[in-house]
Amino acid sequence: AQKVTQAQTEISVVEKEDVTLDCVYETRDTTYYLFWYKQPPSGELVFLIRRNSFDEQNEISGRYSWNFQKSTSSFNFTITASQVVDSAVYFCALRAGGRTYSGGSNYKLTFGKGTLLTVNP
Amino acid sequence: GAVVSQHPSWVICKSGTSVKIECRSLDFQATTMFWYRQFPKQSLMLMATSNEGSKATYEQGVEKDKFLINHASLTLSTLTVTSAHPEDSSFYICSARDFGTSGMYHNEQFFGPGTRLTVL
Repeated sequence: AQKVTQAQTEISVVEKEDVTLDCVYETRDTTYYLFWYKQPPSGELVFLIRRNSFDEQNEISGRYSWNFQKSTSSFNFTITASQVVDSAVYFCALRAGGRTYSGGSNYKLTFGKGTLLTVNP
Repeated sequence: GAVVSQHPSWVICKSGTSVKIECRSLDFQATTMFWYRQFPKQSLMLMATSNEGSKATYEQGVEKDKFLINHASLTLSTLTVTSAHPEDSSFYICSARDFGTSGMYHNEQFFGPGTRLTVL
């Protein structure tokens, strides 16, 4: 079974602070993909990043960076110099890489419970 | 590219009525669409996987006779909440899998903006 744990339910920071959102995952698949999505108050899910299990290289995109560590099954997300517009719920998600441990194909996403980030001015 | 729309964006209905929600992939073909439900301050829970031209696969605990899914074309899937009750009030989100042969994120799910259902 797949599982995604986002231990931080809510985080509140002051604008310009750096903030890291934690994500720990469990899977028996050797090939898998990890995702981060942003859900602002409007409700629409915004895709932020996809990372496959064979690529542990960290990625930076503007103020966003992601740290993938297979050894600790973590895929953490850092926002540098946070802004009020970053306030949203952030979801980490996992899916199998085509064939599950049981042998069947699977494109389902397993979501964590989300972290509500509030950036105060 | 990879835009998914949902209609309506919100709906209020009386208990006992049926509500249909449409999910469309606007600029790509989606052989597979997914329907999620999200209660306030909770995560997305997959309800069913819909494949074009075949019956939907429902997750455990989801009543297929309650939540009817039709995926009649490569760009449209519908979710009908039959005989809706207040406990069905939720945020319903669809996603469509881009099965294109190229592109950095082909085969990934792209999400619609969601439909907020309130049953009185």
